[in-house]
Amino acid sequence: QKEVEQDPGPLSVPEGAIVSLNCTYSNSAFQYFMWYRQYSRKGPELLMYTYSSGNKEDGRFTAQVDKSSKYISLFIRDSQPSDSATYLCAMTRNTDKLIFGTGTRLQVFP
Amino acid sequence: ETGVTQSPTHLIKTRGQQVTLRCSSQSGHNTVSWYQQALGQGPQFIFQYYREEENGRGNFPPRFSGLQFPNYSSELNVNALELDDSALYLCASSVGADTQYFGPGTRLTVL
Repeated sequence: QKEVEQDPGPLSVPEGAIVSLNCTYSNSAFQYFMWYRQYSRKGPELLMYTYSSGNKEDGRFTAQVDKSSKYISLFIRDSQPSDSATYLCAMTRNTDKLIFGTGTRLQVFP
Repeated sequence: ETGVTQSPTHLIKTRGQQVTLRCSSQSGHNTVSWYQQALGQGPQFIFQYYREEENGRGNFPPRFSGLQFPNYSSELNVNALELDDSALYLCASSVGADTQYFGPGTRLTVL
């Protein structure tokens, strides 16, 4: 069993839709949770960074962490074609070694 | 402020050869981590360097080795290349154990 599970998609939604991306994990020691966006053939770009449980909002993006369920989510409101990318969840105990999910490919069509 | 840069962008090698990939960390960052990302997969941690010392290693064989220089730039060396080493190699820099910022990667193809 992988430490971090993420549905690879692809997920295809119309412009303006609310997108929900999710990851589950097995290691209860994880304390720091991140979402990265990766465009094709580019490096990952940090979107959201959360410590422990709770919600964090940044513009159209909201990250949620539920440590009791070992479940994290990223919500994208009013999705745009420019949001089309692969979204990677990542987590770590103490911010050295990041453990990534496989990534979910998102396509937003006009 | 300059972000993380990596060179070369692309590289083609044959099995058994050796390769060196380079990374310049973001200004002010003293820690560099290297990851391997196979096609369709998430990045896998190779190792991390903090102030020129290895500070953690993932499940990669010894033919993967690295260096960090006094200016905090770093090299990843891979000996005896295998076909499965074909991947995007990512470098991330940070200030100690803080948030990691990634470079654009080097795409390595082993034939």
